[in-house]
Amino acid sequence: NAGVMQNPRHLVRRRGQEARLRCSPMKGHSHVYWYRQLPEEGLKFMVYLQKENIIDESGMPKERFSAEFPKEGPSILRIQQVVRGDSAAYFCASSPSGTAGETQYFGPGTRLLVL
Amino acid sequence: DQQVKQNSPSLSVQEGRISILNCDYTNSMFDYFLWYKKYPAEGPTFLISISSIKDKNEDGRFTVFLNKSAKHLSLHIVPSQPGDSAVYFCAARGNRDDKIIFGKGTRLHILP
Repeated sequence: NAGVMQNPRHLVRRRGQEARLRCSPMKGHSHVYWYRQLPEEGLKFMVYLQKENIIDESGMPKERFSAEFPKEGPSILRIQQVVRGDSAAYFCASSPSGTAGETQYFGPGTRLLVL
Repeated sequence: DQQVKQNSPSLSVQEGRISILNCDYTNSMFDYFLWYKKYPAEGPTFLISISSIKDKNEDGRFTVFLNKSAKHLSLHIVPSQPGDSAVYFCAARGNRDDKIIFGKGTRLHILP
């Protein structure tokens, strides 16, 4: 039973380019969460999605960031016109049903470096 | 405003001894507290959790203690093993909340 998969594991972009991060949840999980970890910081919640729905995007920056979780395929976190401050590790987590107290299982992360 | 605080950035413990990692929180609405372990270049791995209605939860070598009046929890690892060397994140969530709030982590070094 494969865990949460994320790709790419490492991504290098120049300022102004777009970054697309992909997350495939664990089999049977329909709830996806994205977190960002800046250097020397803890993980910070960005967005929570179910299939075709954004449930909570309270942690998403207002501009340049968007997320989707289509009916088919992985969840995508998209960052437009990247800036150096976007350099971070982006982690995706999934859970079966999103109920309170349910464990979220994390993927290995995508390390984004903006030059 | 940090709702979950881990005030010790690092901790060194002799192999075989007890490791105690501490965590404080400010939000009394948190209902679940979790500990995650993270190795370099990997994602966090769930370790153990505790509901706010309990004061202790044990799983093998890992025990989490919760003191609600002090808004404090701790993770005990006994005996400590070399493979326990990692960053440990304390985290919390509310009953109606989907997001997990993480502390900054404590790097645990197990010394031979």
